[in-house]
Amino acid sequence: NAGVTQTPKFQVLKTGQSMTLQCAQDMNHNSMYWYRQDPGMGLRLIYYSASEGTTDKGEVPNGYNVSRLNKREFSLRLESAAPSQTSVYFCASSEERGIFGQGTRLTVV
Amino acid sequence: AQTVTQSQPEMSVQEAETVTLSCTYDTSENNYYLFWYKQPPSRQMILVIRQEAYKQQNATENRFSVNFQKAAKSFSLKISDSQLGDTAMYFCAFMKRASGTYKYIFGTGTRLKVLA
Repeated sequence: NAGVTQTPKFQVLKTGQSMTLQCAQDMNHNSMYWYRQDPGMGLRLIYYSASEGTTDKGEVPNGYNVSRLNKREFSLRLESAAPSQTSVYFCASSEERGIFGQGTRLTVV
Repeated sequence: AQTVTQSQPEMSVQEAETVTLSCTYDTSENNYYLFWYKQPPSRQMILVIRQEAYKQQNATENRFSVNFQKAAKSFSLKISDSQLGDTAMYFCAFMKRASGTYKYIFGTGTRLKVLA
């Protein structure tokens, strides 16, 4: 089925460890996004990419980096994980409607 | 700056009844889109319905319909014949096209519980 695939679904990290969340879409969308979801705070934008080769900061970019590898793929990297980064992370892509991946539940201990 | 407000943190409805979830937004834009997303316990964000601001006709998708009042900046979601599977968190979202991409603002969500 067409859509957005993100991996992994669950991850536990120790403070200071690094990891990359992967995201791929097969809808030929130009725009892709990374959000985090915390209780009572809705979805907050971390980074977005308007097209291949471009990335921009969103509302809460500190502690994260991104790569738009090609039109399909947009990855999110945590270089040195902190407990404050415990959250659910969503990748999304969009033309005139936003389509979301299944989410990654990340716990930093 | 755009804002989206969902003033009902939690709601409940009896199975087969009708429920309306409220959403208001603030913008100076004239062209934009509004969405309702459903997030069941599985965590998946599912697009329920979309409304283009330039269309006066309210969008409908099966049991889901919206009441879009552009002047009042109101965008409510009506769920008819509620089913147990409608139990979820519902997010209202505003979207506009800007700087070559689509910018979204999400509300904080309404948790809906459908009671048997």
